[in-house]
Amino acid sequence: SAVISQKPSRDICQRGTSLTIQCQVDSQVTMMFWYRQQPGQSLTLIATANQGSEATYESGFVIDKFPISRPNLTFSTLTVSNMSPEDSSIYLCSASGGNTEAFFGQGTRLTVV
Amino acid sequence: QKEVEQNSGPLSVPEGAIASLNCTYSDRGSQSFFWYRQYSGKSPELIMFIYSNGDKEDGRFTAQLNKASQYVSLLIRDSQPSDSATYLCAGSTGGFKTIFGAGTRLFVKA
Repeated sequence: SAVISQKPSRDICQRGTSLTIQCQVDSQVTMMFWYRQQPGQSLTLIATANQGSEATYESGFVIDKFPISRPNLTFSTLTVSNMSPEDSSIYLCSASGGNTEAFFGQGTRLTVV
Repeated sequence: QKEVEQNSGPLSVPEGAIASLNCTYSDRGSQSFFWYRQYSGKSPELIMFIYSNGDKEDGRFTAQLNKASQYVSLLIRDSQPSDSATYLCAGSTGGFKTIFGAGTRLFVKA
């Protein structure tokens, strides 16, 4: 199983600012994903981070709001831009080696004030 | 719309009983299915995965898959208070993105 390090683990940010979340995997993985989990809700997929190309976003999520980078097979970042209180959530990075289970980072608990 | 459906619960069982968690999925192309456990404030933790029809046992956990009925279940034998958590069912198509259900909250009463 892959070990995923995600940081920061939590942050409190002012509205209108941006936060970049980093995700580092201890081995090369095929797929990396970013999820959001609102309080008491399940995981909602934001996008698939593609190595060497633009991320693939799910309905309701756009690149201008959630730019994603994936410069190599072990690292990805998610930026939450121009934040508002509605962006307060837990953001989770996930990695998968293909037709296998997905593993998760520790999550980033974001509060926008 | 590809979906994974779960009863949100809460499901309450006494300590030592069998907890039965159920899940249905709409995408017949789904090949792999997973059960994650999530404690409050923590990330999901994989506890079982299953690819083939039938049962798969691992300790106190048994996952069951019926592709004809598009049904997945998780049985927890000898339930313990430490099993109290939200259990997320997930399906994956051909190794691509994983779709999660809303989760079932389980309470095991001591």
